[in-house]
Amino acid sequence: SAVISQKPSRDICQRGTSLTIQCQVDSQVTMMFWYRQQPGQSLTLIATANQGSEATYESGFVIDKFPISRPNLTFSTLTVSNLSPEDSSIYLCSSSPGGAPYEQYFGPGTRLTVT
Amino acid sequence: ELKVEQNPLFLSMQEGKNYTIYCNYSTTSDRLYWYRQDPGKSLESLFVLLSNGAVKQEGRLMASLDTKARLSTLHITAAVHDLSATYFCAVDLIQGAQKLVFGQGTRLTINP
Repeated sequence: SAVISQKPSRDICQRGTSLTIQCQVDSQVTMMFWYRQQPGQSLTLIATANQGSEATYESGFVIDKFPISRPNLTFSTLTVSNLSPEDSSIYLCSSSPGGAPYEQYFGPGTRLTVT
Repeated sequence: ELKVEQNPLFLSMQEGKNYTIYCNYSTTSDRLYWYRQDPGKSLESLFVLLSNGAVKQEGRLMASLDTKARLSTLHITAAVHDLSATYFCAVDLIQGAQKLVFGQGTRLTINP
């Protein structure tokens, strides 16, 4: 299974600023994803990070608010821009090597609090 | 829009008992995931079910998939306290794309 690390593990940010979250996978993977988990809630997919192309965003999420980079097959970043208290959540990246058995592994998450 | 619904959302049970968590989804998919999340932790992959009739077991947990009924179950046998966690099922939004839509989660508490 892939080992995924995220930085930072948590942060407290002021309203109107931005936070960039890094996700590192210990092996090359085809697919990387970013999810949001609001307090006490389930997970919602933000976007798919594709190496060599633009990220694809799910309904309700836009590039201006959540710009994503995927410079190589082991690394991705998610920026949460123009922060508001409603952005306080846990942000998780996940990866899949692609192909059977189609496992998808999750990083430890970044807990963001916006004040 | 794909919807994934879990039942029950909260479950408190005694050690040694058996119980089942249900996961219903609204559109065709033949790939279903079960995850475990402990408080303050990330998600641990439990099972990936890839076809109709698939059954997988690990320890006291057994998961099954009925694609015709759009239903998956996670069965807990002779529960122990260590199984206390929140359990999520998830389904591929677009078949093969691995864009997962998660259920609400079932918070399981097992009492000694």
